[in-house]
Amino acid sequence: GAVVSQHPSWVICKSGTSVKIECRSLDFQATTMFWYRQFPKQSLMLMATSNEGSKATYEQGVEKDKFLINHASLTLSTLTVTSAHPEDSSFYICSARARTDYNEQFFGPGTRLTVL
Amino acid sequence: SQKIEQNSEALNIQEGKTATLTCNYTNYSPAYLQWYRQDPGRGPVFLLLIRENEKEKRKERLKVTFDTTLKQSLFHITASQPADSATYLCAFRSISGGYNKLIFGAGTRLAVHP
Repeated sequence: GAVVSQHPSWVICKSGTSVKIECRSLDFQATTMFWYRQFPKQSLMLMATSNEGSKATYEQGVEKDKFLINHASLTLSTLTVTSAHPEDSSFYICSARARTDYNEQFFGPGTRLTVL
Repeated sequence: SQKIEQNSEALNIQEGKTATLTCNYTNYSPAYLQWYRQDPGRGPVFLLLIRENEKEKRKERLKVTFDTTLKQSLFHITASQPADSATYLCAFRSISGGYNKLIFGAGTRLAVHP
């Protein structure tokens, strides 16, 4: 149980285009989902927290107009990187929080974005 | 600010030995700490959670300790195997501004050699 999927697992795009990444909780309902970015040999950095049906809360330094997050249902959240640039190339990981005593978070397998 | 530190240098050990990884935190008193495993190009996988009132937690070959005085958690893998080679992340949950989020350390890469 508690599986989180992401699609696509990798994407290569041209500079200036937009890319959408999907995150799904497959066997549980996630009222809260998180989006992280990870650069090589660095820690996961939280980008934003999204609650189903409401606007996402972005961490300091993360541009909300560039990284659009939609959490339309209890099992689906999407991250759209708009007008992508090479510096946006990174590993994007989503996470969904389950309704347990310790608010356990389960992570997706990640999406490798490369912007040319 | 809340900070969590792990030894950034890779840990190389021989198969069969015990691996010990360290996690230190500052400017916070977490109610519990979590340890995750991350393989290259993959998302983290949850391993163990230890509460502040638990000194030690075990799961098969894994053992975690939590010293709230030292503000430190130790993660042990006994009888290590090459398949244990991965990056291990510690994290604690921070509640600030009404939001509840995990703060991760940078991780320690473990390499177990046959």
